[in-house]
Amino acid sequence: GQNIDQPTEMTATEGAIVQINCTYQTSGFNGLFWYQQHAGEAPTFLSYNVLDGLEEKGRFSSFLSRSKGYSYLLLKELQMKDSASYLCAVMDSNYQLIWGAGTKLIIKP
Amino acid sequence: GAGVSQSPSNKVTEKGKDVELRCDPISGHTALYWYRQSLGQGLEFLIYFQGNSAPDKSGLPSDRFSAERTGGSVSTLTIQRTQQEDSAVYLCASSLVGIFNQPQHFGDGTRLSIL
Repeated sequence: GQNIDQPTEMTATEGAIVQINCTYQTSGFNGLFWYQQHAGEAPTFLSYNVLDGLEEKGRFSSFLSRSKGYSYLLLKELQMKDSASYLCAVMDSNYQLIWGAGTKLIIKP
Repeated sequence: GAGVSQSPSNKVTEKGKDVELRCDPISGHTALYWYRQSLGQGLEFLIYFQGNSAPDKSGLPSDRFSAERTGGSVSTLTIQRTQQEDSAVYLCASSLVGIFNQPQHFGDGTRLSIL
């Protein structure tokens, strides 16, 4: 079967760095997406990785290792507004997105 | 409009009633997706449209659920004889077709409450 694993919840301190991991087992691979979802709101797109390596976009970076079926989202200089759920999703060989359950990130002052 | 539009934003209805949820995707997006999200849970895939056809209906929970899309644009998700376990936020997303690295853009969802 297809499976995406992420930690359920993480806590970090304002101004610090946090890494949210995602491991996957899917039927084929056509890219991995990270989305941010604030409570009561719709998910919004953060990043896309299809090749191995690190993609940096401001305070957020996303890493992919296809051989390990592994990705992480790195958030630097954490701000209170970064408190949200972070969803990992993998596009399989049928171009369908398989979603993880999300990681709830709590930022403390 | 500029984004994905869903209506109504909130719907409260009695058990056993039928409900219809609407999604208006981003103009030019031919792929349209319906998801369901219960409180504190991840996204549950329901159905996917490519144009007006639905190649993947595997996520529909039961035969009480149906969806259609007309004119390659607006889609409606219908739930017949609603049950309390149908209470959730129903999210619609759209994306560009054939460009698989294009992200899905989500609407704000319809919060459905079955009494």
